[in-house]
Amino acid sequence: DVKVTQSSRYLVKRTGEKVFLECVQDMDHENMFWYRQDPGLGLRLIYFSYDVKMKEKGDIPEGYSVSREKKERFSLILESASTNQTSMYLCASTGRGRVETQYFGPGTRLLVL
Amino acid sequence: DAKTTQPPSMDCAEGRAANLPCNHSTISGNEYVYWYRQIHSQGPQYIIHGLKNNETNEMASLIITEDRKSSTLILPHATLRDTAVYYCIVRMRGGGSNYKLTFGKGTLLTVNP
Repeated sequence: DVKVTQSSRYLVKRTGEKVFLECVQDMDHENMFWYRQDPGLGLRLIYFSYDVKMKEKGDIPEGYSVSREKKERFSLILESASTNQTSMYLCASTGRGRVETQYFGPGTRLLVL
Repeated sequence: DAKTTQPPSMDCAEGRAANLPCNHSTISGNEYVYWYRQIHSQGPQYIIHGLKNNETNEMASLIITEDRKSSTLILPHATLRDTAVYYCIVRMRGGGSNYKLTFGKGTLLTVNP
């Protein structure tokens, strides 16, 4: 069974803090994704990585950066958290050429005060 | 990606079959139908996909009409744990330049005891 884990289920941070969200997958997948999910807006892609040290911007990359130093780990960084980044953050992974069957982690619910 | 239409909500009695419809009248010949579900406060979960033949796996069955303009996801013996939002997605297989999944509003399936 594919397992995608995220570092925290719930996180509370203050405005201006630097926030790290980590995602680890155990299936040797090449592709990893970060989404955020907000009521009424569905899932929106923030960043995508198709290999170690490679990244592509998604639809809403502003205010975020990512790091992929190892194949199994994909980190999302909020450089200076703001209240409009309060959201559910979801990480996903899939094998090369299989972006349509993504395996998601449990999500991190981030509250920025 | 082709647009999909799903009913906003459905109810089902525990132990009965749940039949979730999806309309995708603008589907093109090389687009597949994918189904995901999202249980409350969890990440989405891939269920099944198909092109034109009916498909079955350990979770569900997928029936695609001959003209491919609609499909039905069948959960043969629904349980309370199947209560979730079910998403129907139509897209081409493989990545290319389109590596994100676009989730619509989906159908909230409520399984009642």
